[in-house]
Amino acid sequence: AQSVTQLGSHVSVSEGALVLLRCNYSSSVPPYLFWYVQYPNQGLQLLLKYTSAATLVKGINGFEAEFKKSETSFHLTKPSAHMRDAAEYFCAVSSNTGNQFYFGTGTSLTVIP
Amino acid sequence: GAGVSQSPSNKVTEKGKDVELRCDPISGHTALYWYRQRLGQGLEFLIYFQGNSAPDKSGLPSDRFSAERTGESVSTLTIQRTQQEDSAVYLCASSPTPGQGARGYTFGSGTRLTVV
Repeated sequence: AQSVTQLGSHVSVSEGALVLLRCNYSSSVPPYLFWYVQYPNQGLQLLLKYTSAATLVKGINGFEAEFKKSETSFHLTKPSAHMRDAAEYFCAVSSNTGNQFYFGTGTSLTVIP
Repeated sequence: GAGVSQSPSNKVTEKGKDVELRCDPISGHTALYWYRQRLGQGLEFLIYFQGNSAPDKSGLPSDRFSAERTGESVSTLTIQRTQQEDSAVYLCASSPTPGQGARGYTFGSGTRLTVV
């Protein structure tokens, strides 16, 4: 069974501050892990993914995430928040064989000027 | 219906042929999304419908791809002159309102398209 837990449904940071969005997963098999972003009235966009290669994954828009097996975590970070980063962020897990995704409940990021 | 229904579940087509993929969303769901997933990749957004209008078509990869939706019901994704790189699983999702994001999504089981 696979599941994802995102801690904090709302996160606020000041512009230029560090962004940290938390994601913990459970999976009985080596997982594929994803972070997606959704801006208002748009579909999900893939930020980055982990597929058992490098544990530190770099994505678009300056985001990165580190896979930590010992902590079953895949937290998303960005060193310096920008106003355009305000959106909803979803962590997801899937097996490496199927197309079934399990999404977290999402974290809404607000960037304060 | 009880869930999002997609048909066909599998489609093998020859390069250059046109294909139509169908999605029946959950009754009453106003938002409908099409995604594509290539083997080992994440979801790739294609198009989003709010009712029968498409405010966001930014993900359609080329003019060979088009989609329609009838009211707040069935949607059809059409790929013309298929190419081998079109081979993927095409996933449809619906949600009651667009603002709920992925937490409100219900995905269909997908159509696995193979272009030979």
